Amino acid sequence: AQTIHQWPVAEIKAVGSPLSLGCTIKGKSSPNLYWYWQATGGTLQQLFYSITVGQVESVVQLNLSASRPKDDQFILSTEKLLLSHSGFYLCAWSLHRGNSDYTFGSGTRLLVI
Amino acid sequence: AQSVDQPDAHVTLSEGASLELRCSYSYSAAPYLFWYVQYPGQSLQFLLKYITGDTVVKGTKGFEAEFRKSNSSFNLKKSPAHWSDSAKYFCALDAASSSFSKLVFGQGTSLSVVP
Repeated sequence: AQTIHQWPVAEIKAVGSPLSLGCTIKGKSSPNLYWYWQATGGTLQQLFYSITVGQVESVVQLNLSASRPKDDQFILSTEKLLLSHSGFYLCAWSLHRGNSDYTFGSGTRLLVI
Repeated sequence: AQSVDQPDAHVTLSEGASLELRCSYSYSAAPYLFWYVQYPGQSLQFLLKYITGDTVVKGTKGFEAEFRKSNSSFNLKKSPAHWSDSAKYFCALDAASSSFSKLVFGQGTSLSVVP
């Protein structure tokens, strides 16, 4: 069975500090991977997606970056956090583009102070 | 451009009543449509999807949705509603192409089912 694990569960960080969030998918080879962001009480916005190791496409610019160092790993990071980065970050995977279920991780809740 | 609209930010109804959450979309190609549910403090759970074929699709937790191409809608339904259905519901459109992959979400509808 496929599992998706996100870490950490929650973070409280200071403005200007660095951030690294991780996501690991087990039990599925070469999945499509995605990062989503949800402001408190808001909708979900796709940030990045990756279809293969080392290749990441940016969907929106939020002073964040993403990398896929391994087939089963997706990292979201920034060198300097902003207050606007607060929210709920979700990693997701799908088998292929279109006509495929998206499975979401449990998420990381980030508060920037 | 692709978009999803959920016009009702909040819906409140009594337990035992029928629920219908509205969703409309804008997309130039054949849509792949999803409904997800988010309980407080939790991630998204898949409810159902429409890819092609039957316009009424059944999902988990007793939900179903009807795809209507004529008015670009994909409304979520359940009868009767239960207090445990209280959550936020998101409609989403898979706007994938050969070179792009994107799940576009609506604003979400917060559902409260009261005893």
